[in-house]
Amino acid sequence: AQTVTQSQPEMSVQEAETVTLSCTYDTSESNYYLFWYKQPPSRQMILVIRQEAYKQQNATENRFSVNFQKAAKSFSLKISDSQLGDTAMYFCAFLYYNTDKLIFGTGTRLQVFP
Amino acid sequence: DTGVSQNPRHKITKRGQNVTFRCDPISEHNRLYWYRQTLGQGPEFLTYFQNEAQLEKSRLLSDRFSAERPKGSFSTLEIQRTEQGDSAMYLCASSFGRGGVQRETQYFGPGTRLLVL
Repeated sequence: AQTVTQSQPEMSVQEAETVTLSCTYDTSESNYYLFWYKQPPSRQMILVIRQEAYKQQNATENRFSVNFQKAAKSFSLKISDSQLGDTAMYFCAFLYYNTDKLIFGTGTRLQVFP
Repeated sequence: DTGVSQNPRHKITKRGQNVTFRCDPISEHNRLYWYRQTLGQGPEFLTYFQNEAQLEKSRLLSDRFSAERPKGSFSTLEIQRTEQGDSAMYLCASSFGRGGVQRETQYFGPGTRLLVL
């Protein structure tokens, strides 16, 4: 079975600093997608960033970037210039190419403090 | 486009009662998904629809659970004879499937939080 592991239950960072959230996954497949979703307190989950496994270039979205290491099955999220609004649960998720079932990790709670 | 909406946002019920949740996907999205999220965990897949066809169901979806998407637009998730273990956040998501192996991003609704007393 495929698994997604987020080994950091909680992280904290000071505003304007950089923080990296870790994610590892286990699969025997070569074609898949990886996602980071953000779930703010009492608000809905929104997509932060998406990576397709066949693309060697790491995805970037403004202050958010990933370090995708396919051989190591690692997919970490770097948040630069952290803002108070980044406070949320962050979920790493995995999706096979020809399926529709997202597999989520247990999440990392990120607190950004002033 | 107002995004994925879910109703009700909160539901408190007594054990043994039936409950029904509704999800309205983003209007042009043909795929609709249901997930369940318990406290301290990531969402777990329950089922998904392409248009009105229910294409996959998780083993988590016991016989007490039924989902429908009768006209390929909104969907309902019904839980019969609720149990305390059903208490969770029920999330709906939608995406636009273009066919083939390509998969588009799933966009989530705000969820329905169920508490079974």
